[in-house]
Amino acid sequence: EAQVTQNPRYLITVTGKKLTVTCSQNMNHEYMSWYRQDPGLGLRQIYYSMNVEVTDKGDVPEGYKVSRKEKRNFPLILESPSPNQTSLYFCASSPHRDGDEKLFFGSGTQLSVL
Amino acid sequence: EDKVVQSPLSLVVHEGDTVTLNCSYEVTNFRSLLWYKQEKKAPTFLFMLTSSGIEKKSGRLSSILDKKELFSILNITATQTGDSAVYLCAVRLGNKLVFGAGTILRVKS
Repeated sequence: EAQVTQNPRYLITVTGKKLTVTCSQNMNHEYMSWYRQDPGLGLRQIYYSMNVEVTDKGDVPEGYKVSRKEKRNFPLILESPSPNQTSLYFCASSPHRDGDEKLFFGSGTQLSVL
Repeated sequence: EDKVVQSPLSLVVHEGDTVTLNCSYEVTNFRSLLWYKQEKKAPTFLFMLTSSGIEKKSGRLSSILDKKELFSILNITATQTGDSAVYLCAVRLGNKLVFGAGTILRVKS
């Protein structure tokens, strides 16, 4: 089944403790992206990647890192999480060719930083 | 700054009503506009629009884009309780997608 898989679904952590949220897609998509969703603010893009070893900042990249060593994986790293990073996170992927830009979303990761 | 604004922020209707959701944008390098429905967690794709004036339809849902006036509408006819969700509009600019804050729709039986 074609899908984007994120793990974990729920995560509670403490300030400063490094964490990684994994994201994997099995559709051979070129484009992958991370978003955070906060009430009243909609989905805001953190980072995106057009291909292996190519990553770019979105609108809210501060406090986050990403890597794209393989086409299927795009982990999101919080080196030193802070309470303002408590949010619902989505990974998404897309073929992203002109005319084929539908984003496929993972199930989301609810992160709480205490 | 690129902006996507959705209205209304929320609305409550009764089953059978018709609703119109709005999405306006001020962006550079417009490529396409997409609508998503978000029920519990992950948004699911509804429509992608690239050309003005061409209506896309799927069952009771339809959407149209006006590139001159920089807006799109999403219509839902004969609403059902299963249409209750957050509806998200997103605009692709180059390699980025910018989302609006969403419209919360609640359909009462």
